[in-house]
Amino acid sequence: DVKVTQSSRYLVKRTGEKVFLECVQDMDHENMFWYRQDPGLGLRLIYFSYDVKMKEKGDIPEGYSVSREKKERFSLILESASTNQTSMYLCASSPYPVTVLSEAFFGQGTRLTVV
Amino acid sequence: DQQVKQNSPSLSVQEGRISILNCDYTNSMFDYFLWYKKYPAEGPTFLISISSIKDKNEDGRFTVFLNKSAKHLSLHIVPSQPGDSAVYFCAARDNYGQNFVFGPGTRLSVLP
Repeated sequence: DVKVTQSSRYLVKRTGEKVFLECVQDMDHENMFWYRQDPGLGLRLIYFSYDVKMKEKGDIPEGYSVSREKKERFSLILESASTNQTSMYLCASSPYPVTVLSEAFFGQGTRLTVV
Repeated sequence: DQQVKQNSPSLSVQEGRISILNCDYTNSMFDYFLWYKKYPAEGPTFLISISSIKDKNEDGRFTVFLNKSAKHLSLHIVPSQPGDSAVYFCAARDNYGQNFVFGPGTRLSVLP
């Protein structure tokens, strides 16, 4: 059974903290993505990666960075958390690029609250 | 300005009846559309897609209709089941192969 696992279901962090959201997939997929989901806005792409150490900005990369040191792991980093980064964060992986999203598998999400 | 709109935040339907979820878009360059279903505390799962060369795509109880002139698509679920209760997102991509743009979602409740 395919699996995309996000390390935390819920996180509460303070403003200014550096925050790491971890995502691991066990399907040997080249492509991994980070989205955030907000009420009234749907899902928005933050960053994606098509190979180890490769990354591309999505639609809303400001305030975020990513790391892909190993194929199975894709980390989202909030350099200095702010309250407007309170959101549900969703990781996904796919054997195809982000433009073929129908083949992607999503993790269960991390609900981050920045106080 | 949102390019993909789902103007009904929520919808309630009786079990066994038809559910119709609507999605409107503003970008005439969009050529490929997806519908996703999301349960609480789970990631979204892909449901059905449609290309702009078609006006209908059917998969079991789920049918998506596309009206390009109206820039409108709809997802029909027949018959609706309580397990269909979830948030439904539509998403669109333009023909330059850019990232998908998602609508805000519609919460469907199917009442037994």
